[in-house]
Amino acid sequence: DAKTTQPPSMDCAEGRAANLPCNHSTISGNEYVYWYRQIHSQGPQYIIHGLKNNETNEMASLIITEDRKSSTLILPHATLRDTAVYYCIGAAGNKLTFGGGTRVLVKP
Amino acid sequence: GAVVSQHPSRVICKSGTSVKIECRSLDFQATTMFWYRQFPKQSLMLMATSNEGSKATYEQGVEKDKFLINHASLTLSTLTVTSAHPEDSSFYICSARPWRVGVVAGGDNEQFFGPGTRLTVL
Repeated sequence: DAKTTQPPSMDCAEGRAANLPCNHSTISGNEYVYWYRQIHSQGPQYIIHGLKNNETNEMASLIITEDRKSSTLILPHATLRDTAVYYCIGAAGNKLTFGGGTRVLVKP
Repeated sequence: GAVVSQHPSRVICKSGTSVKIECRSLDFQATTMFWYRQFPKQSLMLMATSNEGSKATYEQGVEKDKFLINHASLTLSTLTVTSAHPEDSSFYICSARPWRVGVVAGGDNEQFFGPGTRLTVL
């Protein structure tokens, strides 16, 4: 799996968009970018994934740079329930390797 | 859909005893299940990959004789921590990969995670 780098923490305001960056400069051509989040004391939850194109679903949008060396997860309207650790993972094949993630605190 | 359960959610045991944790995919079949361990304020660490009907594949540094994994059906995998010691106290999380990835939106690596089991060894 590709090594990913994320800021350890960030705060964002409730109701505003939260933009979570991830660097994955060593990602290989067949590796997808996956985003999961983990709310305190729960199992991780799948958010979104992509290969080259930008993706959007009901939870978030994923913007992947053209060179695929970085991506941004966008939570369009952050709520207090979005407070969690967000993990960016570059993966192909069977395994998901979790790094340190970004601890996101949504403040009222 | 795509719900994974774990039982028990919390267990406290004495040092030297064995503890079994069950992981079930409730509404889909999973040929592959994964077991992770998470210590406080740390990330998830993959312990082993469990394939239905075959032996589990353990990550480097994980003792297969201490952490026994059985994946006897397409919806159930169990992790048994044998002769547990206080250093085994952790949050154990399983995940399941759907048998047919076309059924869900996530692609080859989408895994659905259980709620976790908190093990405390006294």
